[in-house]
Formats: sequence, C-alpha cells, structure tokens
Amino acid sequence: SQKIEQNSEALNIQEGKTATLTCNYTNYSPAYLQWYRQDPGRGPVFLLLIRENEKEKRKERLKVTFDTTLKQSLFHITASQPADSATYLCALVLDTDKLIFGTGTRLQVFP
Amino acid sequence: SAVISQKPSRDICQRGTSLTIQCQVDSQVTMMFWYRQQPGQSLTLIATANQGSEATYESGFVIDKFPISRPNLTFSTLTVSNMSPEDSSIYLCSALLWSGGIYGYTFGSGTRLTVV
Repeated sequence: SQKIEQNSEALNIQEGKTATLTCNYTNYSPAYLQWYRQDPGRGPVFLLLIRENEKEKRKERLKVTFDTTLKQSLFHITASQPADSATYLCALVLDTDKLIFGTGTRLQVFP
Repeated sequence: SAVISQKPSRDICQRGTSLTIQCQVDSQVTMMFWYRQQPGQSLTLIATANQGSEATYESGFVIDKFPISRPNLTFSTLTVSNMSPEDSSIYLCSALLWSGGIYGYTFGSGTRLTVV
C-alpha cells in the first residue's frame, strides 16, 4: 500500500538546537516533495520544495534533503526558536499534480 | 503572493442538512483541490476540480456526498451533503499557483465544521 509516514510523536527541542524531522514514503514515485508548516486553526503554508533530481535545498534556517533511493526526506531547522513551534507536514507531488500529505510532526521548541 | 479566501470559517450544523463551502482565488487557476482534515490528523484529498469538467474524486469520496462546482477559473464550492457527526472536520481548499518561478500550493484558512 502507499504510505507517507512522519514521526507521529511530538518533537520537543530546546531553543537554539537543530530540529530534524523525517518523512518516509513507500510505493510512490513523486515528481517532487514539499514541506509545509501548519499552525492550529490555519491552513498549511508552503515552506520548501525539492525535486527528485536534487539532493538538498536550503532557505534561510531551513534545509531539506531528498533521497529517492531511501524514499526519505529530512527537514532541518537550525537555530530553532519558540516561534518555530508548529506541525510540519511533508507532501509528495505526483505527476498528476495531486498533493498527498504525510501524517505530520508536531514540533515544540522551548526556551 | 496569491490569496485564497474561504468561507465560512466555521459552522455548526444539524445532521441531515447540507453545507456549501466557498473558495475564491485572487488569480485565475486551472486546478483547485479540496481536502478534509479530521481532528489530530493530516490532510486527505477529497477531489480535484478543474474548470469546465467534472471533479475527480479520490477513493472513499463520492459526488453525491461531496458535490463540487467550478464555474470559473477563480471560484469553487464544496457541498457536504446529508451531514452526520462523522463529517465533523476541517475542510480546506487549495490552488496550484505560479509563484517565484515554481508552481506552489496555496491553501485557504479552512472551514471548521461541527455536525450535531
């Protein structure tokens, strides 16, 4: 069956540390992968996109890696801040332009 | 960046009734998507709505329960029909938009539906 899995348990880290979130998928061949942030009561907000032929993408304190052999993406937030606390969703973009979401990981950054 | 306005933001409805959710995009888009997010869960795609054609539904979702309209390139509606408490969820629309050199997905703020 097709699955997109993220750490189901909340990730709690101390301010200033690097948060690393994992996204694993099976039985998909995505054109590219995206990461979103979702705050309570709001829709997801796009953060980063990485294509299947790219290994790494950076944007300010964010870094995404994509390993199509392992079928895994890692999402890093460096120098984390309490304002980074949110749920982070990975999503696969299929060649039909459909966006399929992972289960999401809740990140809590404490001072 | 493009904005998607979604309304209502929330509603409490009686079982057996229907609710229509509206989504307005401030630019023309080819594809719009409707998602459901149940409490504590991730987003599940309900259907893809292209202007000028019937919506394409995902497994587990049917047109009789979730009729969709797409009358033009900036607007879409999703109706949740004959509601039951199991339909209580957040419903979100999304559009594929060209922004910053790539196509990206922008979401509405969601409609929180409670069926009693």
